[in-house]
Amino acid sequence: GQNIDQPTEMTATEGAIVQINCTYQTSGFNGLFWYQQHAGEAPTFLSYNVLDGLEEKGRFSSFLSRSKGYSYLLLKELQMKDSASYLCAAYTGGGNKLTFGTGTQLKVEL
Amino acid sequence: NAGVTQTPKFRILKIGQSMTLQCTQDMNHNYMYWYRQDPGMGLKLIYYSVGAGITDKGEVPNGYNVSRSTTEDFPLRLELAAPSQTSVYFCASSTHGRDRGSYEQYFGPGTRLTVT
Repeated sequence: GQNIDQPTEMTATEGAIVQINCTYQTSGFNGLFWYQQHAGEAPTFLSYNVLDGLEEKGRFSSFLSRSKGYSYLLLKELQMKDSASYLCAAYTGGGNKLTFGTGTQLKVEL
Repeated sequence: NAGVTQTPKFRILKIGQSMTLQCTQDMNHNYMYWYRQDPGMGLKLIYYSVGAGITDKGEVPNGYNVSRSTTEDFPLRLELAAPSQTSVYFCASSTHGRDRGSYEQYFGPGTRLTVT
């Protein structure tokens, strides 16, 4: 089966750094996606890791350890607009299927 | 490019009614997907398609049907609506190439369905 775990909620301060963790147990694992979803909107792509290590893209970075079944999303210089749900999703082959976690609701405060 | 479009945006159904949620993409993607998202939850895959004429069940297919007669369109059919089908429905599409970035799924704006 497929199982993905991430914290339900996190709160952080504007300008700070926050790390959102994700652990997964999936069969046929090929990579790990992170999506951002603002309330009432569709998910939008943030990052995709297929190899172990850190991928940096502006204020956002994502890390993957395949041996540990672990990923994290790092958000730097937090802004109010970063308040959203962050979805971790494991990519498995055979139809490009994604298995999503329940999402981490991030609240950025002043 | 409009990307992935969905109609309608909102719909209220009575129990037992049927309806079709429309999804169209103009990116020539071969893969298409239907998800449902309940409040505070992640997305659950209902059905997916790897190309015209080919569909397969996802994690929660019961109560739904799909067809894929063209590359562009992937409608989702609810035959006998039930309150448990109250949810937000997202359609998505992706391609499958050598560039690892091409695995990204692009989502439509969603259809908010209430069954009462």
